[in-house]
Amino acid sequence: QSVLTQPPSVSGAPGQKVTISCTGSSTNFGAGYDAHWYQQLPGTAPKLLIHDNTNRPSGVPDRFSGSKSGSSASLAITGLQAEDEAVYYCQSYDSSQSGDWVFGGGTRLTVL
Amino acid sequence: QVQLQESGPGLVKPSETLSLTCTVSGGSINNGAYYWSWIRQPAGKGLELIGRIDYSGNTKYNPSLKSRVTISRDSSKNQFSLTLTSVTAADTAVYYCARVDVSFWFFDLWGRGTLVTVSS
Repeated sequence: QSVLTQPPSVSGAPGQKVTISCTGSSTNFGAGYDAHWYQQLPGTAPKLLIHDNTNRPSGVPDRFSGSKSGSSASLAITGLQAEDEAVYYCQSYDSSQSGDWVFGGGTRLTVL
Repeated sequence: QVQLQESGPGLVKPSETLSLTCTVSGGSINNGAYYWSWIRQPAGKGLELIGRIDYSGNTKYNPSLKSRVTISRDSSKNQFSLTLTSVTAADTAVYYCARVDVSFWFFDLWGRGTLVTVSS
């Protein structure tokens, strides 16, 4: 089990908004470490989607947004499109044990 | 434009050693602004960090793999490598190399990944 907990799946209809949660603890988000998000389309490598909680790399549509509050982070996708169907991972640094970067278990988004 | 490309055998026998190389093009692995890392993903499962190396050769490994893993670098070839010893079927996965921002600790660039199957 990952120290960052994500729901296994979420779904939404085209045009709707979905939110993916990433629950951490006092040793990662709660300690002030940032949340980062990745999108993994079927059969491809993960791609950076959001970094430092809220920042989108160049080329990422503004339909994607991130937030962090306390020990949790969230990824919101508005105006859902079929091409958004993918697995989404959160990532941060965790200071427990030996301390290192950690990934959430991933959330599969299905566009209905 | 910086690109990463994994290479190495796609099939390794149990108990043998897995060796992969990541070639970095369009940028230097001597750039102190980045770490260079390996991540793996078993089929249908999530991402597991294997370890990383920095511009000066310092390494850090996942404690669960530490006894079997070595990450090294070859500046002359602009490559970094992964060695995993005594492999079992549980090591079958897609292996990715990725670049990590030193300041903010996110994986900003990934290779396409290479599937390594452990089987006799």
